Amino acid sequence: NAGVTQTPKFRVLKTGQSMTLLCAQDMNHEYMYWYRQDPGMGLRLIHYSVGEGTTAKGEVPDGYNVSRLKKQNFLLGLESAAPSQTSVYFCASSYFRVNSPLHFGNGTRLTVT
Amino acid sequence: KQEVTQIPAALSVPEGENLVLNCSFTDSAIYNLQWFRQDPGKGLTSLLLIQSSQREQTSGRLNASLDKSSGRSTLYIAASQPGDSATYLCAVPSSGGSYIPTFGRGTSLIVHP
Repeated sequence: NAGVTQTPKFRVLKTGQSMTLLCAQDMNHEYMYWYRQDPGMGLRLIHYSVGEGTTAKGEVPDGYNVSRLKKQNFLLGLESAAPSQTSVYFCASSYFRVNSPLHFGNGTRLTVT
Repeated sequence: KQEVTQIPAALSVPEGENLVLNCSFTDSAIYNLQWFRQDPGKGLTSLLLIQSSQREQTSGRLNASLDKSSGRSTLYIAASQPGDSATYLCAVPSSGGSYIPTFGRGTSLIVHP
């Protein structure tokens, strides 16, 4: 049971380049989330999904797009990377139940130069 | 909008001390409250989840309490050890809609021998 797997672990981009971060979970969770974590800012929600084929904006969605074509995968895309998007990105998933904890991946450290 | 505050932001204690970490939230309409641990460069690991109908949860040396009416939770760590050094975060999914957790900025704990 792998839990939540994020790829890649590290990436360096130049301003204007694009990339896709992949999150995969094997727990049949309905909900999936993308957060970014920055020093002094805590975890901020970028986008989330409540099920296959659905996505919604979080607190800081600008500059990012997402897709959830399969229940187990949640992709985060940066179409034109900016230095302000330098961050650590975390994916999480959960059931929609009051006793369901969040499960996190190990993160992707992205640097945009 | 739910706002979550954690006090103190940082804590340094000698081994063996009993600790109390605090988490407060502004909207008491919640599904649950979750405590996480984050080691440097790693993802978040779920420690305890307290459902909104519960008052406390215990796991080993950890005890978390919830006072929903006052918007507060505490994480009690008994007989602290150097291995407890990490950042501790609380997260609160507000009820009445989608299961979207809002995070506090965490308490950075150092337990020195």
